[in-house]
Amino acid sequence: SQKIEQNSEALNIQEGKTATLTCNYTNYSPAYLQWYRQDPGRGPVFLLLIRENEKEKRKERLKVTFDTTLKQSLFHITASQPADSATYLCALSGTVGGYNKLIFGAGTRLAVHP
Amino acid sequence: IAGITQAPTSQILAAGRRMTLRCTQDMRHNAMYWYRQDLGLGLRLIHYSNTAGTTGKGEVPDGYSVSRANTDDFPLTLASAVPSQTSVYFCASSPGTDNSPLHFGNGTRLTVT
Repeated sequence: SQKIEQNSEALNIQEGKTATLTCNYTNYSPAYLQWYRQDPGRGPVFLLLIRENEKEKRKERLKVTFDTTLKQSLFHITASQPADSATYLCALSGTVGGYNKLIFGAGTRLAVHP
Repeated sequence: IAGITQAPTSQILAAGRRMTLRCTQDMRHNAMYWYRQDLGLGLRLIHYSNTAGTTGKGEVPDGYSVSRANTDDFPLTLASAVPSQTSVYFCASSPGTDNSPLHFGNGTRLTVT
Protein backbone atom coordinates (compact mmCIF):
# COMPACT_ATOMS: atom_id res chain seq x y z
CA SER A 1 0.00 0.00 0.00
CA GLN A 2 1.03 3.61 -0.42
CA LYS A 3 3.04 4.84 2.51
CA ILE A 4 4.50 8.19 3.45
CA GLU A 5 6.92 8.60 6.35
CA GLN A 6 8.06 11.63 8.25
CA ASN A 7 10.33 11.62 11.26
CA SER A 8 8.01 11.20 14.24
CA GLU A 9 10.56 12.59 16.66
CA ALA A 10 10.55 16.32 17.20
CA LEU A 11 13.38 18.30 15.66
CA ASN A 12 14.97 20.77 18.06
CA ILE A 13 17.31 23.38 16.64
CA GLN A 14 18.86 26.67 17.64
CA GLU A 15 17.61 29.94 16.23
CA GLY A 16 19.50 30.97 13.12
CA LYS A 17 20.34 27.42 12.06
CA THR A 18 18.89 25.60 9.07
CA ALA A 19 16.13 23.09 9.81
CA THR A 20 15.87 20.09 7.49
CA LEU A 21 12.81 17.86 7.53
CA THR A 22 12.53 14.60 5.61
CA CYS A 23 9.62 12.98 3.81
CA ASN A 24 9.99 9.48 2.35
CA TYR A 25 7.40 7.55 0.41
CA THR A 26 6.89 4.06 -1.03
CA ASN A 27 4.59 2.36 -3.52
CA TYR A 28 3.55 5.60 -5.15
CA SER A 29 4.56 7.80 -8.05
CA PRO A 30 3.13 11.20 -7.17
CA ALA A 31 2.75 13.92 -9.71
CA TYR A 32 3.22 16.54 -7.02
CA LEU A 33 4.41 16.87 -3.48
CA GLN A 34 3.10 19.54 -1.11
CA TRP A 35 4.26 20.84 2.26
CA TYR A 36 1.96 22.30 4.90
CA ARG A 37 2.48 23.95 8.27
CA GLN A 38 0.16 23.20 11.19
CA ASP A 39 0.05 25.11 14.45
CA PRO A 40 -1.59 23.65 17.59
CA GLY A 41 -5.38 23.84 17.41
CA ARG A 42 -5.35 25.08 13.83
CA GLY A 43 -5.79 23.60 10.38
CA PRO A 44 -2.83 22.98 8.06
CA VAL A 45 -1.68 25.89 5.93
CA PHE A 46 -0.18 25.34 2.49
CA LEU A 47 3.47 26.35 2.04
CA LEU A 48 4.97 24.95 -1.15
CA LEU A 49 4.20 22.61 -4.04
CA ILE A 50 6.83 20.88 -6.17
CA ARG A 51 6.17 18.90 -9.33
CA GLU A 52 7.75 15.56 -10.19
CA ASN A 53 9.87 17.12 -12.93
CA GLU A 54 11.23 19.84 -10.62
CA LYS A 55 14.29 19.19 -8.49
CA GLU A 56 14.04 22.21 -6.22
CA LYS A 57 11.62 24.98 -5.28
CA ARG A 58 12.27 28.07 -3.17
CA LYS A 59 10.08 30.59 -1.40
CA GLU A 60 11.76 33.16 0.82
CA ARG A 61 13.55 31.15 3.58
CA LEU A 62 11.97 27.88 2.48
CA LYS A 63 13.43 25.34 0.07
CA VAL A 64 12.00 22.01 -1.02
CA THR A 65 13.74 19.28 -3.01
CA PHE A 66 12.07 16.32 -4.68
CA ASP A 67 14.06 13.21 -5.64
CA THR A 68 11.80 10.72 -7.43
CA THR A 69 14.62 8.17 -7.62
CA LEU A 70 15.18 8.16 -3.87
CA LYS A 71 11.43 8.72 -3.31
CA GLN A 72 12.25 11.52 -0.92
CA SER A 73 11.57 15.19 -0.35
CA LEU A 74 13.61 17.46 1.90
CA PHE A 75 12.17 20.65 3.38
CA HIS A 76 14.63 23.29 4.54
CA ILE A 77 14.05 26.42 6.59
CA THR A 78 17.11 28.68 6.59
CA ALA A 79 17.85 31.24 9.32
CA SER A 80 15.20 29.61 11.48
CA GLN A 81 13.23 31.64 14.00
CA PRO A 82 11.19 30.65 17.07
CA ALA A 83 8.09 31.61 15.06
CA ASP A 84 8.90 28.73 12.70
CA SER A 85 8.08 26.28 15.50
CA ALA A 86 5.17 24.15 14.30
CA THR A 87 4.35 20.75 12.84
CA TYR A 88 5.17 20.35 9.16
CA LEU A 89 3.22 17.92 6.99
CA CYS A 90 4.16 16.57 3.59
CA ALA A 91 1.55 15.28 1.21
CA LEU A 92 1.78 13.36 -2.03
CA SER A 93 -0.74 14.40 -4.60
CA GLY A 94 -2.11 13.18 -7.86
CA THR A 95 -5.48 13.24 -9.54
CA VAL A 96 -6.87 9.75 -9.07
CA GLY A 97 -10.32 8.65 -10.14
CA GLY A 98 -11.24 12.24 -10.91
CA TYR A 99 -10.49 13.76 -7.55
CA ASN A 100 -7.60 15.61 -6.00
CA LYS A 101 -6.05 12.80 -3.97
CA LEU A 102 -3.58 13.78 -1.25
CA ILE A 103 -1.84 11.30 1.02
CA PHE A 104 -0.54 13.01 4.14
CA GLY A 105 2.33 12.09 6.39
CA ALA A 106 1.85 12.29 10.16
CA GLY A 107 4.08 15.34 10.35
CA THR A 108 7.29 16.35 12.09
CA ARG A 109 7.24 18.83 14.94
CA LEU A 110 9.91 21.52 14.75
CA ALA A 111 10.97 23.49 17.81
CA VAL A 112 13.29 26.46 17.27
CA HIS A 113 14.93 27.64 20.48
CA PRO A 114 16.16 31.21 21.05
CA ILE B 1 -11.83 37.22 5.82
CA ALA B 2 -12.13 34.63 3.07
CA GLY B 3 -11.77 31.04 4.13
CA ILE B 4 -13.45 28.02 5.66
CA THR B 5 -15.64 28.12 8.74
CA GLN B 6 -16.26 24.96 10.75
CA ALA B 7 -18.76 24.53 13.56
CA PRO B 8 -18.79 23.58 16.32
CA THR B 9 -15.15 23.99 17.39
CA SER B 10 -15.53 21.13 19.84
CA GLN B 11 -18.20 18.72 20.95
CA ILE B 12 -18.66 15.89 23.42
CA LEU B 13 -21.18 13.37 22.13
CA ALA B 14 -22.73 10.26 23.64
CA ALA B 15 -22.30 7.08 21.64
CA GLY B 16 -25.28 6.32 19.45
CA ARG B 17 -26.22 9.97 18.95
CA ARG B 18 -26.44 11.66 15.57
CA MET B 19 -24.20 14.63 14.86
CA THR B 20 -23.64 16.97 11.92
CA LEU B 21 -20.42 18.91 11.57
CA ARG B 22 -20.84 22.07 9.55
CA CYS B 23 -18.45 23.49 6.97
CA THR B 24 -18.88 26.65 4.90
CA GLN B 25 -16.46 28.28 2.47
CA ASP B 26 -16.63 31.69 0.83
CA MET B 27 -13.94 31.23 -1.81
CA ARG B 28 -16.26 29.73 -4.46
CA HIS B 29 -14.04 26.65 -4.62
CA ASN B 30 -15.44 23.74 -6.57
CA ALA B 31 -13.90 20.91 -4.56
CA MET B 32 -14.39 20.23 -0.84
CA TYR B 33 -13.10 17.53 1.49
CA TRP B 34 -13.50 16.10 4.97
CA TYR B 35 -10.47 14.70 6.77
CA ARG B 36 -9.94 13.26 10.21
CA GLN B 37 -6.66 13.64 12.09
CA ASP B 38 -5.61 11.22 14.79
CA LEU B 39 -2.45 11.25 16.88
CA GLY B 40 0.43 9.58 15.06
CA LEU B 41 -1.53 9.22 11.84
CA GLY B 42 -1.67 11.49 8.86
CA LEU B 43 -4.81 13.25 7.78
CA ARG B 44 -7.17 10.66 6.31
CA LEU B 45 -9.81 11.51 3.75
CA ILE B 46 -13.38 10.62 4.70
CA HIS B 47 -15.43 12.02 1.80
CA TYR B 48 -14.93 14.53 -0.96
CA SER B 49 -16.99 16.53 -3.44
CA ASN B 50 -15.61 17.71 -6.77
CA THR B 51 -18.50 20.09 -7.39
CA ALA B 52 -21.94 20.92 -6.06
CA GLY B 53 -24.30 17.97 -6.41
CA THR B 54 -21.60 15.28 -6.42
CA THR B 55 -19.83 13.40 -3.62
CA GLY B 56 -17.39 10.53 -3.36
CA LYS B 57 -15.90 8.20 -0.77
CA GLY B 58 -12.40 8.66 0.52
CA GLU B 59 -10.14 6.35 2.51
CA VAL B 60 -12.28 5.99 5.68
CA PRO B 61 -15.95 6.65 4.77
CA ASP B 62 -17.72 4.10 6.97
CA GLY B 63 -20.05 5.64 9.53
CA TYR B 64 -20.07 9.03 7.80
CA SER B 65 -22.22 10.68 5.15
CA VAL B 66 -22.01 13.99 3.31
CA SER B 67 -24.10 16.16 1.05
CA ARG B 68 -23.27 19.06 -1.28
CA ALA B 69 -26.46 20.93 -2.06
CA ASN B 70 -24.58 24.10 -3.06
CA THR B 71 -21.04 25.34 -3.65
CA ASP B 72 -20.47 26.81 -0.20
CA ASP B 73 -21.66 24.15 2.25
CA PHE B 74 -20.41 20.61 2.86
CA PRO B 75 -21.82 19.10 6.07
CA LEU B 76 -20.54 15.83 7.51
CA THR B 77 -23.01 13.61 9.39
CA LEU B 78 -22.31 10.84 11.85
CA ALA B 79 -25.54 8.83 11.90
CA SER B 80 -24.78 6.91 15.10
CA ALA B 81 -21.54 7.96 16.74
CA VAL B 82 -19.06 5.40 18.10
CA PRO B 83 -16.00 6.01 20.33
CA SER B 84 -13.61 5.24 17.43
CA GLN B 85 -14.92 8.38 15.75
CA THR B 86 -13.28 10.49 18.45
CA SER B 87 -10.94 12.66 16.42
CA VAL B 88 -10.27 16.12 15.07
CA TYR B 89 -12.18 16.74 11.86
CA PHE B 90 -10.95 19.15 9.22
CA CYS B 91 -12.89 20.49 6.27
CA ALA B 92 -10.88 21.68 3.28
CA SER B 93 -11.45 23.09 -0.18
CA SER B 94 -9.55 23.58 -3.43
CA PRO B 95 -10.34 25.52 -6.60
CA GLY B 96 -10.41 22.34 -8.65
CA THR B 97 -9.24 18.75 -8.84
CA ASP B 98 -5.93 19.53 -10.54
CA ASN B 99 -3.58 18.97 -7.59
CA SER B 100 -4.17 22.52 -6.40
CA PRO B 101 -3.31 23.13 -2.72
CA LEU B 102 -5.97 22.69 -0.08
CA HIS B 103 -7.34 25.41 2.17
CA PHE B 104 -8.28 24.04 5.60
CA GLY B 105 -10.64 25.14 8.33
CA ASN B 106 -9.52 25.10 11.95
CA GLY B 107 -11.21 21.84 12.76
CA THR B 108 -13.84 20.36 15.04
CA ARG B 109 -12.60 18.37 18.02
CA LEU B 110 -15.12 15.58 18.59
CA THR B 111 -15.15 13.27 21.60
CA VAL B 112 -17.55 10.31 21.58
CA THR B 113 -18.10 8.82 25.03
